[in-house]
Amino acid sequence: NAGVTQTPKFQVLKTGQSMTLQCAQDMNHEYMSWYRQDPGMGLRLIHYSVGAGITDQGEVPNGYNVSRSTTEDFPLRLLSAAPSQTSVYFCASRYGTGIDNEQFFGPGTRLTVL
Amino acid sequence: AQTVTQSQPEMSVQEAETVTLSCTYDTSESDYYLFWYKQPPSRQMILVIRQEAYKQQNATENRFSVNFQKAAKSFSLKISDSQLGDAAMYFCAYRRGITSGTYKYIFGTGTRLKVLA
Repeated sequence: NAGVTQTPKFQVLKTGQSMTLQCAQDMNHEYMSWYRQDPGMGLRLIHYSVGAGITDQGEVPNGYNVSRSTTEDFPLRLLSAAPSQTSVYFCASRYGTGIDNEQFFGPGTRLTVL
Repeated sequence: AQTVTQSQPEMSVQEAETVTLSCTYDTSESDYYLFWYKQPPSRQMILVIRQEAYKQQNATENRFSVNFQKAAKSFSLKISDSQLGDAAMYFCAYRRGITSGTYKYIFGTGTRLKVLA
């Protein structure tokens, strides 16, 4: 198993550009999430999905879109990048809701918006 | 709304010594889970230990143990026999239980642990 994979690892954008951060998992997990990590802020939930076709907003959803057309993939779209979106982005997945269902994280994408 | 507070931005410990990282949380729920995650310089998030609120017994995983004080809403992590590889950022996290029907994790701001040789 590759686990949770994210591409790209690093990205630099100019203000106003759009892009998609890719996330995929091969563990047949129903639950997937996107977080952003900023210095001194911990991880904050952007969007999450409880299965194909079902998504919901997290704590900081503004400026981001998601969709979940398959169980494996959960892309995060930045519609019009802003410097405030400079951050490290993590995708995570887990199988179920019980405490024994561990949440697995991808390696992260470091995004810089100029 | 639930909150998670880690009041120690940075801690240091001598190799082979014991260190305790603090975490407090605020919730009105009775069914919830608590977690400690480790993030080394590689940036990878690694689950260290987990605790179910209904279980009174403190969780342990090898050199890692927690002191779960439900009434005080405190969930501290104790690392015994500290090793150089323990140096990392540690995050405390909260999630409501299965009965809540929600999936959201709430993370604290983290504690950077330095291990001194």
